[in-house]
Amino acid sequence: QSALTQPASQSASPGQSLTLSCTGTSRDIGSSRYVSWFQQHPGEAPRLLIYSTNTRASGVSDRFSGSKSGNTASLTISELHIKDEADYYCMSYRDDATYVFGTGTAVSVL
Amino acid sequence: QEKLVESGGGVVQPGGSLRLSCAASGFTFTTFAIHWVRQAPGRGLEWVAFAFYDAKKTDLADSVKGRFTISRDNVKDTVSLQMDSLRVEDTGTYYCVKSRFCSGSICPTFETWGQGTLVSVSS
Repeated sequence: QSALTQPASQSASPGQSLTLSCTGTSRDIGSSRYVSWFQQHPGEAPRLLIYSTNTRASGVSDRFSGSKSGNTASLTISELHIKDEADYYCMSYRDDATYVFGTGTAVSVL
Repeated sequence: QEKLVESGGGVVQPGGSLRLSCAASGFTFTTFAIHWVRQAPGRGLEWVAFAFYDAKKTDLADSVKGRFTISRDNVKDTVSLQMDSLRVEDTGTYYCVKSRFCSGSICPTFETWGQGTLVSVSS
């Protein structure tokens, strides 16, 4: 089961916006309503940010937003904060009844 | 407060077995599906297994099919992952995850995560 493709790293300055991409196939992102995004700080468990492509999880800042076009999903983080520095993973339901994660993007806030 | 606590990790030789447990509290366990997700050291996340709320439907990733078994005890509010024929590549932190909702048998919202238990497969 191949992982979804994410850029290995991205960076931006505090206050700027950043858009992370997640590329899959017609068997997962392209055909699924169920794309999620997670944030993981070092040494911690992942935290759900976005589910069902564009719905923010409880307690998640409205600076985080999700979208999808074709086989690519995106997570936009606006007004970057230092605390947003973390690893970000996408995930999609796949048509063989499995769940596939992305390769992860390390976000640096410089 | 919803909580998931994993246990049972440890060091085991290739070909050996381990049984992980996940104890749930703070929510009505019998109405939510549970997943296991793992993460190799310094690597990304990988979905491993899933048990529907009534355990009548379970599923496993191809990488562990035939070696791992997921089960749940809705009296004790626990989920177990029996891992046999362990390989070096099974090494990692194993997380227990509650799904917020299901649509039919699709339970795609990995909402609540435990802190994980570490499995090390090494000779």
